[in-house]
Amino acid sequence: TQLLEQSPQFLSIQEGENLTVYCNSSSVFSSLQWYRQEPGEGPVLLVTVVTGGEVKKLKRLTFQFGDARKDSSLHITAAQPGDTGLYLCAGVRYGGSQGNLIFGKGTKLSVKP
Amino acid sequence: SQTIHQWPATLVQPVGSPLSLECTVEGTSNPNLYWYRQAAGRGLQLLFYSVGIGQISSEVPQNLSASRPQDRQFILSSKKLLLSDSGFYLCAWSRTGYYGYTFGSGTRLTVV
Repeated sequence: TQLLEQSPQFLSIQEGENLTVYCNSSSVFSSLQWYRQEPGEGPVLLVTVVTGGEVKKLKRLTFQFGDARKDSSLHITAAQPGDTGLYLCAGVRYGGSQGNLIFGKGTKLSVKP
Repeated sequence: SQTIHQWPATLVQPVGSPLSLECTVEGTSNPNLYWYRQAAGRGLQLLFYSVGIGQISSEVPQNLSASRPQDRQFILSSKKLLLSDSGFYLCAWSRTGYYGYTFGSGTRLTVV
C-alpha cells in the first residue's frame, strides 16, 4: 500500500499552460515537502509545509497543505520548459519517526515549448 | 554551508563483483544519513539510514550493506552484485526529516 499517492503519474503540457498535481493520503502528516528532480540528478527540496491549510508560493509555484494535513497540491502557473522534471511529495507521518520521510512515486511533468 | 558529495556518478560492474559507493557531508555534525534506490524515473526506496557512527538500520533485506565509519561518511557496499542491483542510488542527509532532506547527485549503477 502506497502511503502517499501522487496524481497524475505523467503530465505533458504546452508552455504557458497551468497545471496542478496532487499528493493524497489517508494518514495525517506533521510535515510535507515537495521536491523536483531532473534526470540524472538528486531531488531538490522546493518547499516544506507544516500547518493545515498552509499556502506557500515560490514564484509561479503555489503549494497547499490540506486542512486535515492528509493531502497537498502543487499548482504551476504559466508552465515553462524549465519546469520539466519529476515532482515528488514526501512527508513525516504524524506520530512516526521524525527522521524518516515517506515518499510518493512522483509526477513526471513535461513542458513542451 | 552544508554540502553532500556522492561518487562515482556512474558505474558499470559485472555480476558477482563487489561494490562500494561513498557519501560524505561537509559543514554539519552528527547528521542523519540515508541511502535510497530509485527505479527508472520513479519513487524512492529507502535502503539504509544511520543516526550516528556505527548505527545502521536496514529497511529492506537485500544483497547490500551499509557502514558509517565516520560521523559524516556513509558507505554502501555489496560483496557480490546481482543484475537486480542496477539502479540510481541516492545518498541524503538531514537534521530531522521534518524539514526535508538534502540529496547528493546520485550514482547510476549498471550491473552487466
